[in-house]
Amino acid sequence: SYELTQPPSVSVSPGQTASITCSGDNLGNKYTSWYQQKPGQSPVLVIYQDVKRPSGIPERFSGSNSGNTATLTISGTQAMDEADYYCQAWDSSTAIFGGGTQVTVL
Amino acid sequence: QVQLQESGPGLVKPSETLSLTCIVSGASVSSRFYYWSWTRRTPGKGLEWIGYIYSDGITNYNPSLKDRVTMSIDTSENQFSLRLTSVTAADTAVYYCQRGDNWFDPWGQGTLVTVSS
Repeated sequence: SYELTQPPSVSVSPGQTASITCSGDNLGNKYTSWYQQKPGQSPVLVIYQDVKRPSGIPERFSGSNSGNTATLTISGTQAMDEADYYCQAWDSSTAIFGGGTQVTVL
Repeated sequence: QVQLQESGPGLVKPSETLSLTCIVSGASVSSRFYYWSWTRRTPGKGLEWIGYIYSDGITNYNPSLKDRVTMSIDTSENQFSLRLTSVTAADTAVYYCQRGDNWFDPWGQGTLVTVSS
């Protein structure tokens, strides 16, 4: 079955750039979405169709997808960005989520 | 503003059936442009997609759960439902409903379901 692999954790200093990767076989041929989940809250869509930001999502969130890797980039990371981030794609009509990456803002 | 709210028992006994309902406001489940979906978050497996249903009743389930899952939709009440049979402790999770369009947005607040005798 298809799998999406994310690093378990990423640490970043305030104001710096955080990059979260999501790897899967030929992932660049699929659309990837990204979700942010803070403790006690439900997931929030931050990127869809690889690079698009929903209304209300800050411009510091951006996405890319090529080859086997999709990347969520948070530029000028703020303390409020500390959360778990999940990538998601579709394979054979099944929605697949990555294992999640915990972003810590030190 | 589209909002989704899950409801149902927080405790289910092993081997019994888990039943949840998602009430939608600010949008119509009759829309042909979206589907209505369920996802759960388990401590060990993270987010796991369960399946979705269209307004006409067409469904698509995760192969790993399809033998135990049934989804239904009630356009008159603007809500949709999930049934998961023969539950075990592994089905203990926070269950979320979402609106779907290749991506999932928005999500309900989630409801914790514990499987225990």
